[in-house]
Amino acid sequence: DQQVKQNSPSLSVQEGRISILNCDYTNSMFDYFLWYKKYPAEGPTFLISISSIKDKNEDGRFTVFLNKSAKHLSLHIVPSQPGDSAVYFCAAFGSSGGSNYKLTFGKGTLLTVNP
Amino acid sequence: SAVISQKPSRDICQRGTSLTIQCQVDSQVTMMFWYRQQPGQSLTLIATANQGSEATYESGFVIDKFPISRPNLTFSTLTVSNLSPEDSSIYLCSAPVSDEQYFGPGTRLTVT
Repeated sequence: DQQVKQNSPSLSVQEGRISILNCDYTNSMFDYFLWYKKYPAEGPTFLISISSIKDKNEDGRFTVFLNKSAKHLSLHIVPSQPGDSAVYFCAAFGSSGGSNYKLTFGKGTLLTVNP
Repeated sequence: SAVISQKPSRDICQRGTSLTIQCQVDSQVTMMFWYRQQPGQSLTLIATANQGSEATYESGFVIDKFPISRPNLTFSTLTVSNLSPEDSSIYLCSAPVSDEQYFGPGTRLTVT
């Protein structure tokens, strides 16, 4: 049962345009959401987060939107740069089915920004 | 911020052997986490390691297969025992520092 879903395994955009990465979740107990970026041969690095009490968080070129009713969040990158090319993981903190409060990841979306 | 290092960065192991992965954090942390990322899959939590207590394993992971040590607040090891090709994955350790979750660079394991 995949509780955090990134349905697009890859996305390709042109430099300077907007990149929109999507994430859906099924567990209503999730209360904190994060996006991580991962380059090849490196561990994931934290990018931006949002609490479930908010619907938007912005940090420079990166904005995360949360739609709790739809259990959907998205990461917008504007403008996209070639250095943004990486795998982006959506993750959520929460408990489910009696398990501990923990971080659950999606499968990731490979973003390629073309010059 | 925090720096997390892992050793080895990669290894190729024979079926039936074991591999121990070391994780070092440059600050003291209460909790350390071990994740696995199999090809084409998401990062999956294996266990949570707290200093001074037994590790807590997620469903589908058992101590006999993935013994964990946590001798102090900056260090942990994960052993993957009785290796099979299905264990070929990237293994990452992680720790929360000042409300942020930091990850090590990962250990790429290939089992032949």
